[in-house]
Amino acid sequence: DTEVTQTPKHLVMGMTNKKSLKCEQHMGHRAMYWYKQKAKKPPELMFVYSYEKLSINESVPSRFSPECPNSSLLNLHLHALQPEDSALYLCASSPSSSRLNYGYTFGSGTRLTVV
Amino acid sequence: DAKTTQPPSMDCAEGRAANLPCNHSTISGNEYVYWYRQIHSQGPQYIIHGLKNNETNEMASLIITEDRKSSTLILPHATLRDTAVYYCIVSPTGSARQLTFGSGTQLTVLP
Repeated sequence: DTEVTQTPKHLVMGMTNKKSLKCEQHMGHRAMYWYKQKAKKPPELMFVYSYEKLSINESVPSRFSPECPNSSLLNLHLHALQPEDSALYLCASSPSSSRLNYGYTFGSGTRLTVV
Repeated sequence: DAKTTQPPSMDCAEGRAANLPCNHSTISGNEYVYWYRQIHSQGPQYIIHGLKNNETNEMASLIITEDRKSSTLILPHATLRDTAVYYCIVSPTGSARQLTFGSGTQLTVLP
């Protein structure tokens, strides 16, 4: 299995809702990442998990809450989002966050719309 | 972090080689050059990476200048499916903050 699987592919949520995005990989990668991508912009790093521990939080608002229950799963819990949070949310994995000579594997993303 | 400069857009005729330039004049000695591409509404796809030497794989070739201040990604026989945004990325030194995407180049392969 050489894929990163993200679910759901599309999500519409109200500003008072609580929802979660899920990311799964079975490549044995020990680093996982969340990126946010607005339309016609490059992806922006949100969080880095290394060996199931949060190692980077790029000053992301607390309405986004990441969770890494095990080495294969990464969740992003969403609460009280704003319409400007509407974006494509991308998950990625790599063998290790400290090994620079490997590429990342990205999922196809979750297209989130906040209404 | 080292930054990269890429042309915002390029066209290429189908079947011809696509040569995508990238300037990374402030690159440090142990920083790699990575190339990714993103086809519309999909996740980015890793293409190739290199440190000093030229590299080739089944997707592309990467030519890095001797002073490492610039590089060129070469798609030898572009197809319509190669239409995408191509990102040239330089990895930071000694940091877990990995891929920082620049603006990229929109490559359009024309029939």
